[in-house]
Amino acid sequence: EVQLVQSGAEVKKPGESLKISCKGSGYSFTSYWIGWVRQMPGKGLEWMGIIYPGDSDTRYSPSFEGQVTISADKSISTAYLQWSSLKASDTAMYYCARHPVRWNYADYWGQGTLVTVSS
Amino acid sequence: QSALTQPASVSGSPGQSITISCTGTSSDVGGYNYVSWYQQHPGKAPKLMIYDVSNRPSGVSNRFSGSKSGNTASLTISGLQAEDEADYYCSSYTSSSTMVFGGGTKLTVL
Repeated sequence: EVQLVQSGAEVKKPGESLKISCKGSGYSFTSYWIGWVRQMPGKGLEWMGIIYPGDSDTRYSPSFEGQVTISADKSISTAYLQWSSLKASDTAMYYCARHPVRWNYADYWGQGTLVTVSS
Repeated sequence: QSALTQPASVSGSPGQSITISCTGTSSDVGGYNYVSWYQQHPGKAPKLMIYDVSNRPSGVSNRFSGSKSGNTASLTISGLQAEDEADYYCSSYTSSSTMVFGGGTKLTVL
């Protein structure tokens, strides 16, 4: 069974750093892309970027380039999304999702990680 | 890139059919047969309903169908059921080698 399990909810202060994770199981982790999607409170889905764990090829949405870093450790089948300096506007639910090689859709999704940034 | 354009809300009675539109440009929806649709119930992760314009993943009801004409894709749900009440999002691959979502449509089953 394909599963993406994300790390737990986080409460941080503005300016702090954060790295959240997404662990894949039940499939070949290095043969699919992992994408990250943001959903701000009460708002829609926003595509942030994507990584191919097989070779760490990474692409970012222009809206998120330079704001976050996407990485992966294929030895433990885990992808990451990290911030170096959080802002209150980063408060959102973050989902990881598996994409096939052409990354034309996301077929399996993690349960989401809620990040709250507040002073 | 701009989000794809979807109606904010649609509604229908049980048993009826509804259609949700998703309008983009020749750089996304119109340029590729890589449109997908997702269903999201409150507090839940999105679920893939349609991929590559009109294909249904295994386990998705055949009441859900997709199509595309030019720069506009559509999701049709026939035989509406109470459980279909949710938010629906379209998505497309883009010429910038990114993906983009629509703004989302809230479906209300009356």
